[in-house]
Amino acid sequence: SQTIHQWPATLVQPVGSPLSLECTVEGTSNPNLYWYRQAAGRGLQLLFYSVGIGQISSEVPQNLSASRPQDRQFILSSKKLLLSDSGFYLCAWGSLWMNTEAFFGQGTRLTVV
Amino acid sequence: KQEVTQIPAALSVPEGENLVLNCSFTDSAIYNLQWFRQDPGKGLTSLLLIQSSQREQTSGRLNASLDKSSGRSTLYIAASQPGDSATYLCAVFGSARQLTFGSGTQLTVLP
Repeated sequence: SQTIHQWPATLVQPVGSPLSLECTVEGTSNPNLYWYRQAAGRGLQLLFYSVGIGQISSEVPQNLSASRPQDRQFILSSKKLLLSDSGFYLCAWGSLWMNTEAFFGQGTRLTVV
Repeated sequence: KQEVTQIPAALSVPEGENLVLNCSFTDSAIYNLQWFRQDPGKGLTSLLLIQSSQREQTSGRLNASLDKSSGRSTLYIAASQPGDSATYLCAVFGSARQLTFGSGTQLTVLP
């Protein structure tokens, strides 16, 4: 069965420090991969999605970047964190044509101090 | 651009009551619609997936319907229990190959 791993679960980082969140998927190939952010009391905002290795689409201009070095690995990064980057980050995957459910990781709670 | 709206934003019901959560979307050109559950501080758990060609899906006490032409979906929860308390999110997958989410309905089932 398909599983999605996301780490770390919790992260506290100072302003200006770098960030790297990792997401890996098992049990599938050629997945669509997504990074979402959920700010406190707000809905899920799509940050990036990827349909293949090296293919990244950005939905909103921001301080973050994403990379997909391998088919089942998706990384969210920042060179210098801002206070506004705080939030709950969720990685998700869906089959290439989304004919099955989308599955989410357990999320990373990022607090920038 | 696809927009998804969920009404109500919050709902509180006594245990045992049947309830309906609503979801509407602006672009009817979707591949599927999915309902999720989110517990506080946790990730999303998929509840039901309805393909664009389907009218409804059922899982246990949950029943989701889809009227693609009118851009609406409902999630029906029968005989609600305190353990059903969570935020329920609907999301549509459209031609842009993205999941677009509503802002969710926060459900509280009172014992």
